[in-house]
Amino acid sequence: GDSVTQTEGLVTLTEGLPVMLNCTYQSTYSPFLFWYVQHLNEAPKLLLKSFTDNKRPEHQGFHATLHKSSSSFHLQKSSAQLSDSALYYCALRLSNTGYQNFYFGKGTSLTVIP
Amino acid sequence: NAGVIQTPRHKVTGKGQEATLWCEPISGHSAVFWYRQTIVQGLEFLTYFRNQAPIDDSGMPKERFSAQMPNQSHSTLKIQSTQPQDSAVYLCASSLASQNTLYFGAGTRLSVL
Repeated sequence: GDSVTQTEGLVTLTEGLPVMLNCTYQSTYSPFLFWYVQHLNEAPKLLLKSFTDNKRPEHQGFHATLHKSSSSFHLQKSSAQLSDSALYYCALRLSNTGYQNFYFGKGTSLTVIP
Repeated sequence: NAGVIQTPRHKVTGKGQEATLWCEPISGHSAVFWYRQTIVQGLEFLTYFRNQAPIDDSGMPKERFSAQMPNQSHSTLKIQSTQPQDSAVYLCASSLASQNTLYFGAGTRLSVL
């Protein structure tokens, strides 16, 4: 079935170090991939989404590349900031039907320490 | 634009009682989703409406959970005979049919004692 796997439940990093949060997926169709971020006591909100033309999406210093060969959409940032501490969800949406369901991974909690 | 509005923000019920959660999607959004959020399972899909019609309820525990969307401005999620394992944050999200973006509400934290 269609699913998303985030292998790390908890990640703790020192400020200034690079960030990489893993996301792999299984999909019967060519999917759209997303990263959502949820700060403490806030609603999840969209951080990044994949493009159909293989451009690399970027936002707030974060970027992710959709690799269909490895079914991955890892989230990366060159230098972690304290304000990046949050819960990050990778999500998948099936694209070749009118069906609009979004499948989410279990999330990765990122804590950035000074 | 007030965003997706969920009420109440917190609800405490006793085991066996009923809980009704409300969601007002962003005006003009034709798709409404319900998710359950826990630390262990993350964001679990429950159900989805498009233009008020139920499209997929495959994530709903069948016996005690039900959802309706009687008009385009609100949806409800009802849990009958609540159990402690129902304790979670219930998130509602809406989107435009033409967009690939979900807009989430702040959620309702349900605590079943």
